[in-house]
Formats: sequence, C-alpha cells, structure tokens
Amino acid sequence: GAGVSQSPSNKVTEKGKDVELRCDPISGHTALYWYRQSLGQGLEFLIYFQGNSAPDKSGLPSDRFSAERTGGSVSTLTIQRTQQEDSAVYLCASSLKGAYNEQFFGPGTRLTVL
Amino acid sequence: AQTVTQSQPEMSVQEAETVTLSCTYDTSESDYYLFWYKQPPSRQMILVIRQEAYKQQNATENRFSVNFQKAAKSFSLKISDSQLGDAAMYFCAFPNSGGSNYKLTFGKGTLLTVNP
Repeated sequence: GAGVSQSPSNKVTEKGKDVELRCDPISGHTALYWYRQSLGQGLEFLIYFQGNSAPDKSGLPSDRFSAERTGGSVSTLTIQRTQQEDSAVYLCASSLKGAYNEQFFGPGTRLTVL
Repeated sequence: AQTVTQSQPEMSVQEAETVTLSCTYDTSESDYYLFWYKQPPSRQMILVIRQEAYKQQNATENRFSVNFQKAAKSFSLKISDSQLGDAAMYFCAFPNSGGSNYKLTFGKGTLLTVNP
C-alpha cells in the first residue's frame, strides 16, 4: 500500500461501549506503534509491536486497553467500557524493524466518547 | 526518563520569511537520532528532517535545516522562505535510550502560523 491507513477516521461512541480501531501498516514494515494524542498535547506512546509480538505495552493506560496484530500486518486497538477521558486522536505508525528508523504515520482515528 | 521540551507553544511568520523553532532534550546517550515531524490540520504526521548525533554537519532538506548543538542538547528547526503550506504543528521527537530506542518521546509541539 501507499501508506499507513487507519479506520474509522472518526468514531463517536457512548460511555461504556467498546470500540475497535484498525491500522494497516506499510507492507514490509515489521514494527508498528500506537500513540494517543489528546487535545493540545504531544503524542503519548501506547504500545509497540515487532511482528505479531508486543514487547512493550508499557504505555497502555489501563486494562481496558488492548491491542493485537495478526499476520505481521493489520493491528487492532480495542478500548473496552470507554470513558470520556479516552476521547483523543489515536495514531498508528509503522517502520522498518525498530530503533531509529523513520516512523510513518497514519491519519489517525478521532475518538469521541459522549 | 527522556524529556523533550519545546518552549514555544505558538509561533508566527510572514510568508517568505525565516522562522526558527526550538527544542531541547535530555539524554545520557552519546549516539542517537533526533527528528522533527510536521502535523498539518489533516492530522497526518510527516517527517520533516532527521539528525544523527554522531554527524558534525547539520541536516538540511530543501528549505528546512537544523541547528544541532550536542553539548547544549539543543535541536532547533529553521524554515527558510516560509510558505503557506508550512502552517502546521511541529513536533520534536527523540528516541528513548538503551533497549527501548524504538520508542519516540515527543515534545508538546509548536503551532506555526504563516501569514500572507
């Protein structure tokens, strides 16, 4: 594919509902990252995948957040029992391997929890 | 923990003029990379320029250049001949040290406005 894609572009949900956010990385990129960007803030690291494994989940804010990656490609970030403080833009990035390689970002999913 | 500080929440520049965005960081590493990313209203983060710490020469990409002061841990971005399309949020980013150098720490960003 041409770049990293994410779906949906925007998601509005009610407090307490579960949501799934999808990321399609650039073909051949083994490293995949999820970040969260709250209003007026920088990017907050959530999780890092190398292949299908997630060696670093240290940024996930609570056990309501989980992510998986299948086939070394598509990744899904799931937020259970959404809360209003989960409202943010969720950005996905991919890169060749890991360390020091340029991370290519998707356009993000804007999540609004009412 | 890594820290990346962008001390200018907002900057403005006249079209065709030059503007410099500041970034400082803290690290005990001697060899690392530094990045500037641009985020326009479309939300898509785009890499503007990358600097390798072991290189003496400052990186340049067309109208974008950096002033890298390793001893001062300073990494500023200079945009020459500013264009309307340069209006965006700019983030300085720095990889964590050691085994987690895949993880980027971002500054809080500088919102750049370009006035016609």
